[in-house]
Amino acid sequence: GESVGLHLPTLSVQEGDNSIINCAYSNSASDYFIWYKQESGKGPQFIIDIRSNMDKRQGQRVTVLLNKTVKHLSLQIAATQPGDSAVYFCAGPNRDDKIIFGKGTRLHILP
Amino acid sequence: DAGITQSPRYKITETGRQVTLMCHQTWSHSYMFWYRQDLGHGLRLIYYSAAADITDKGEVPDGYVVSRSKTENFPLTLESATRSQTSVYFCASSEIDYSNQPQHFGDGTRLSIL
Repeated sequence: GESVGLHLPTLSVQEGDNSIINCAYSNSASDYFIWYKQESGKGPQFIIDIRSNMDKRQGQRVTVLLNKTVKHLSLQIAATQPGDSAVYFCAGPNRDDKIIFGKGTRLHILP
Repeated sequence: DAGITQSPRYKITETGRQVTLMCHQTWSHSYMFWYRQDLGHGLRLIYYSAAADITDKGEVPDGYVVSRSKTENFPLTLESATRSQTSVYFCASSEIDYSNQPQHFGDGTRLSIL
């Protein structure tokens, strides 16, 4: 079936370094992708989105890159801070236009 | 404060009981959603609603009932709870054209069924 998923369930990064979280998708017709952050005990929080007519989009300390050729997107977090510790999800539409979510990558920040 | 509120935050009940999870949003968003989140599965859509009095099934609707008599409220009812429905439930909302807009989530209800 269709999927949107992350490559790694866990990622550990040194504080101050950049974090890169990767996501693959299967629906080549997907035209919109979203990244969410979920902290412990909370609901997913919207971080940044990107439409398929773009290759890159930047926000505050975050950048999303979209490679439609290999159906891959990534979330880059610059100068990772302790507050970035969370689970990160990518999401995108399936063929029925329902948003499906990846299982998430847990980002650990090392002191 | 504007936002999306879920209640209760925690609930323990027994198999066979009926339980209702509440969701209220103050944005007047057209779309509302119910998801469950389980280890190994990520977020799975239970039901969604495009507007008041319009609801539709998601990926895992069995055992659940929803209603939407007012735009701002979208309760989820487990008519006869089973242990397999132990999960964390999230309500979300989005503006029109949810496939091109981010969803905004509540902080969830952690439901345990004994």
